[in-house]
Amino acid sequence: AQKVTQAQTEISVVEKEDVTLDCVYETRDTTYYLFWYKQPPSGELVFLIRRNSFDEQNEISGRYSWNFQKSTSSFNFTITASQVVDSAVYFCALTPYNNNDMRFGAGTRLTVKP
Amino acid sequence: NAGVTQTPKFRILKIGQSMTLQCAQDMNHNYMYWYRQDPGMGLKLIYYSVGAGITDKGEVPNGYNVSRSTTEDFPLRLELAAPSQTSVYFCASSYSSGEQYFGPGTRLTVT
Repeated sequence: AQKVTQAQTEISVVEKEDVTLDCVYETRDTTYYLFWYKQPPSGELVFLIRRNSFDEQNEISGRYSWNFQKSTSSFNFTITASQVVDSAVYFCALTPYNNNDMRFGAGTRLTVKP
Repeated sequence: NAGVTQTPKFRILKIGQSMTLQCAQDMNHNYMYWYRQDPGMGLKLIYYSVGAGITDKGEVPNGYNVSRSTTEDFPLRLELAAPSQTSVYFCASSYSSGEQYFGPGTRLTVT
């Protein structure tokens, strides 16, 4: 069975602070995909990133960066110099390579205060 | 492209009523999904489809049915609605196991 755990229910930071959102996963599959999605207050889901389990390179996209460590089954997401517009619920998700039974974590609500 | 569209946006049902949530995509994606999101929770997969005529159960299929007669459409049927089905329902589509594109959601209340 697969499971995604986002232990941080809510995080509050002040604008320009760096913040890391944790994601730990469990799976018996040797190949899988990991995702991060953003859900702003308007409610839609916005894709941020997909990683393959065989690609452990960290990724940076502007102020966003992701740290994938297979050894600790973690896929953490860091926002550098946070902005008010980053306020949202962020979801980590996992799907096996050979099917599409995607499992989401419970989400982390990030509030960035001015 | 309209992307993924869902109708209706909101609906109130009485216990025991039935309804169909509509989902359509115009991106020629072969994979489509239905999720529910309960307040303060992550999304849970109800059903998914890897192509026309093929559907599979997800994590929480009980109380729902789906069909996929065309690539574009993936309706979700609720039979005998129950208060536990009060939720926001999201439809999504993807090309294989790639990024899933989500619709705007349908907020359903069962009273």
